[in-house]
Amino acid sequence: ETGVTQTPRHLVMGMTNKKSLKCEQHLGHNAMYWYKQSAKKPLELMFVYSLEERVENNSVPSRFSPECPNSSHLFLHLHTLQPEDSALYLCASSQDLGVRYSNQPQHFGDGTRLSIL
Amino acid sequence: GEDVEQSLFLSVREGDSSVINCTYTDSSSTYLYWYKQEPGAGLQLLTYIFSNMDMKQDQRLTVLLNKKDKHLSLRIADTQTGDSAIYFCAERGGSNYKLTFGKGTLLTVNP
Repeated sequence: ETGVTQTPRHLVMGMTNKKSLKCEQHLGHNAMYWYKQSAKKPLELMFVYSLEERVENNSVPSRFSPECPNSSHLFLHLHTLQPEDSALYLCASSQDLGVRYSNQPQHFGDGTRLSIL
Repeated sequence: GEDVEQSLFLSVREGDSSVINCTYTDSSSTYLYWYKQEPGAGLQLLTYIFSNMDMKQDQRLTVLLNKKDKHLSLRIADTQTGDSAIYFCAERGGSNYKLTFGKGTLLTVNP
């Protein structure tokens, strides 16, 4: 139990569907992250929120739309995805974003395995 | 951009020590992390080391950092079958919160 819960664990959707991924953290953290994990590639940072404000959008296509209604919840809204978007989507949180010499380890959920048909 | 490299595979016998190596390019790294990912799960933080340290020990885990060569290693003593997983090295740059991850090393422990 990492304190970061992601639902659903698995999702299969067609390219024209709209779905949402949910992440909830029970650690009292102020920063939350979305990552994409594809086979044979390093983890790709997608979005970062700090105190519900988006501070990073790492050139992610607009078919991915994040939402952070409060510091405990993070959503990733999906629409008209492509087959190459099939991957494991990981949510993480940290106490804060941190400054240079402040250790702010990121704690990850178990991910949502997304398959696009 | 910054880069983190790891060998992709390591196979050891149960009871032996495992050493997973990592190199990175960011000379301003502050913290370096090791994460473990078991099948079907997310990344579990195993340990970390601050860049002004050269060694950290935590039970069966020993982290060695050679800052001059930008080389990090994770040694697992008395490796067990439950240690079979993918191990990720990650570094945090000097000026921000971003982590740069390697592609991961798949550790296979044979009975």
